[in-house]
Amino acid sequence: DTGVSQNPRHKITKRGQNVTFRCDPISEHNRLYWYRQTLGQGPEFLTYFQNEAQLEKSRLLSDRFSAERPKGSFSTLEIQRTEQGDSAMYLCASSLEGVITGELFFGEGSRLTVL
Amino acid sequence: RKEVEQDPGPFNVPEGATVAFNCTYSNSASQSFFWYRQDCRKEPKLLMSVYSSGNEDGRFTAQLNRASQYISLLIRDSKLSDSATYLCVVNMFMAGNDYKLSFGAGTTVTVRA
Repeated sequence: DTGVSQNPRHKITKRGQNVTFRCDPISEHNRLYWYRQTLGQGPEFLTYFQNEAQLEKSRLLSDRFSAERPKGSFSTLEIQRTEQGDSAMYLCASSLEGVITGELFFGEGSRLTVL
Repeated sequence: RKEVEQDPGPFNVPEGATVAFNCTYSNSASQSFFWYRQDCRKEPKLLMSVYSSGNEDGRFTAQLNRASQYISLLIRDSKLSDSATYLCVVNMFMAGNDYKLSFGAGTTVTVRA
């Protein structure tokens, strides 16, 4: 399968713990995006990378959140000191071009439940 | 005001019916518009782009009204498999001369036999 892959698919953690999600984009895509989706809402933009450079961060991304894409390939999203409000589906997407004309290809998401 | 607003529905329609719904967007500088489809507990997938002159893709017709800043999607001859949430998506300008895709909350369509 050459699509976007994310892991883990599901993560249950206790409040205050740290969690890390990984995203492997489509190999030739230079852009990688993180979105968060809660029930009944559309995906909310968190951050994106062009190659290894993180070019934009949403104000939704508090200082407990950090994302990296060290070699311009896979990316990680870490949440420190998780809170119950962090419970959501974390979606990764990649694209070859910018989103003026390009399509985002999403992974199946990593579902986080914070108890 | 939200960047993209949609009627959440749900729209419950019988097979074979036509269903249409709109979304509005706040940023007049937006240049690209899309409809994505999201099945229950699945990831969003591109359904179709929306062009200024309007466009069709089989039973799906998308329209764009830049003056009123709204986008519409019409589904003809509904199939059971059309049951999904339809996300209105607009590109929004970000700092650094780039764009992000902003998603509406989605319109839920349920087609019944």
